[in-house]
Amino acid sequence: SQQGEEDPQALSIQEGENATMNCSYKTSINNLQWYRQNSGRGLVHLILIRSNEREKHSGRLRVTLDTSKKSSSLLITASRAADTASYFCATDAANQAGTALIFGKGTTLSVSS
Amino acid sequence: GAGVSQSPSNKVTEKGKDVELRCDPISGHTALYWYRQSLGQGLEFLIYFQGNSAPDKSGLPSDRFSAERTGGSVSTLTIQRTQQEDSAVYLCASSGQAAYNSPLHFGNGTRLTVT
Repeated sequence: SQQGEEDPQALSIQEGENATMNCSYKTSINNLQWYRQNSGRGLVHLILIRSNEREKHSGRLRVTLDTSKKSSSLLITASRAADTASYFCATDAANQAGTALIFGKGTTLSVSS
Repeated sequence: GAGVSQSPSNKVTEKGKDVELRCDPISGHTALYWYRQSLGQGLEFLIYFQGNSAPDKSGLPSDRFSAERTGGSVSTLTIQRTQQEDSAVYLCASSGQAAYNSPLHFGNGTRLTVT
């Protein structure tokens, strides 16, 4: 399975601090995506990074991808209480058209004010 | 425009009964996914529809689970002879292309409780 695995499982920080979450996967991929889930709701897409990209930014989010290590990280800078949520990475299998997107178990982030 | 719509939002059923969960994807989206999420857990892939291709059913946990997508739009996930371990939130998502090229848009899910 190419399922991603996030690390840590849970993270607690203070407002204003940075939060870093990591994702490891097993097989070659086309892209890697990060999603956020607020309690009791569906997932919201945050960012997609392609296998030929190494870093991508979107607002306070910074994602890196190291295909040699089969890992990615999501950095949230200057965190806010509203960033409290679960964060998931998702991958597909490279060279297999139309494969399903598989999610990891997620990192639960708690930001306290 | 409207997002992905799932119904019902909550469903309580007795063990052994059949249930049907419905998903209305975003109009024009060719890819549709079903996932299951148990309390505090990650997403478990169930089934994937892409255009007119045969669906990827590799994630269905048993033959009690089946899904259809009629006319390339609405999808129904059916669970026959429900068991208590089927209790979970069932999430549907759609995307405009194969998911590796574009993000998934999720519905808010159906919370299934089997008593």
